[in-house]
Amino acid sequence: GAGVSQSPSNKVTEKGKDVELRCDPISGHTALYWYRQRLGQGLEFLIYFQGNSAPDKSGLPSDRFSAERTGESVSTLTIQRTQQEDSAVYLCASSPTRDTDTQYFGPGTRLTVL
Amino acid sequence: GEDVEQSLFLSVREGDSSVINCTYTDSSSTYLYWYKQEPGAGLQLLTYIFSNMDMKQDQRLTVLLNKKDKHLSLRIADTQTGDSAIYFCAEKSSTLGRLYFGRGTQLTVWP
Repeated sequence: GAGVSQSPSNKVTEKGKDVELRCDPISGHTALYWYRQRLGQGLEFLIYFQGNSAPDKSGLPSDRFSAERTGESVSTLTIQRTQQEDSAVYLCASSPTRDTDTQYFGPGTRLTVL
Repeated sequence: GEDVEQSLFLSVREGDSSVINCTYTDSSSTYLYWYKQEPGAGLQLLTYIFSNMDMKQDQRLTVLLNKKDKHLSLRIADTQTGDSAIYFCAEKSSTLGRLYFGRGTQLTVWP
């Protein structure tokens, strides 16, 4: 594929359930980022992967949020015991290396917690 | 953390120029970016500028950077209705790979 892909595109869940969001970065990109965009807001950084290690997790809002990455490929963001304030669009981006000047974004997953 | 500020709304007539402004606080920023987001879509990179440049032009887009004032602007010449979208300014930290985003400027282009 040419770009970053994310799945599902939309997810509606009940409060208290766990959800998993998936990101497929551009092939060969070693750096991967997760951001959250609440309605009417800019993007908030969540976590950054370089390869399959996460040198910067400082944006994760609580211990209900976790993420992992397999090799230099797919990443999953897991939110446990979802709350209504978790409702947002979750965006994934990748770049060839950390120092490269461009992050390419996927279309996002819109999460709605009822 | 770093702050990136943008005005929230801008309306222009088709054919006019649009200027979207942004201020940031991190003097060690390496790159500054403009992304475009259309309704229901992800972010599309429009252009970027390295922090040691003061201007970059790319077709209808002109980016001006005033590093002393930490002010970035995006000028869109001959604005079209298809340019209607939210435009995000972002800066890249020199020490971390993350981007810091403004809240976005909603550009509305009237025919």
